[in-house]
Amino acid sequence: SQTIHQWPATLVQPVGSPLSLECTVEGTSNPNLYWYRQAAGRGLQLLFYSVGIGQISSEVPQNLSASRPQDRQFILSSKKLLLSDSGFYLCAWSLGGSSYEQYFGPGTRLTVT
Amino acid sequence: GNSVTQMEGPVTLSEEAFLTINCTYTATGYPSLFWYVQYPGEGLQLLLKATKADDKGSNKGFEATYRKETTSFHLEKGSVQVSDSAVYFCALLSSGSARQLTFGSGTQLTVLP
Repeated sequence: SQTIHQWPATLVQPVGSPLSLECTVEGTSNPNLYWYRQAAGRGLQLLFYSVGIGQISSEVPQNLSASRPQDRQFILSSKKLLLSDSGFYLCAWSLGGSSYEQYFGPGTRLTVT
Repeated sequence: GNSVTQMEGPVTLSEEAFLTINCTYTATGYPSLFWYVQYPGEGLQLLLKATKADDKGSNKGFEATYRKETTSFHLEKGSVQVSDSAVYFCALLSSGSARQLTFGSGTQLTVLP
């Protein structure tokens, strides 16, 4: 069966510091991968999605970037964090064929101080 | 563009009460519809789905019917339990090439014993 991992689970970083969040999927190949952000008490905002290695699409202009160095690895990064980057970051995957529901990881709680 | 509108919460019910969470959508083409559930501090779990008009998704006592004529996908459960307390998200999957999920803002449900 497929599983999705995210780490770290929680992170507290000062303003201006760099960021790297990692997401890894097991048990499937060539998945579509997604990064979402959930601000406190609000819905989910799609940040990036990827349909293959090196293929990244950005949904909103922001301080963040994403990379997909391997088929089942998706990384969210920032060179300098802002206070507004605080939130709950969720990675998700879906199959690229006939079944498109997305499955979510456990999330990373990021607090920028 | 695509959009999902959910009834605003929070919703507070007594155990064994009937639950309805309204969800309506706007989309071009023929989207798939989903309900996700998020327990405190966790990622989202797929609760149920429907991929075409008049389909009924069901899981764990929850049901929702894809109504194209009213563009709705209301979530129902006949008898809620304390363990159902969570945030519920309605979502649609566009039929375009990006296959991106569009989420509603979420509805917080609290079930009291």
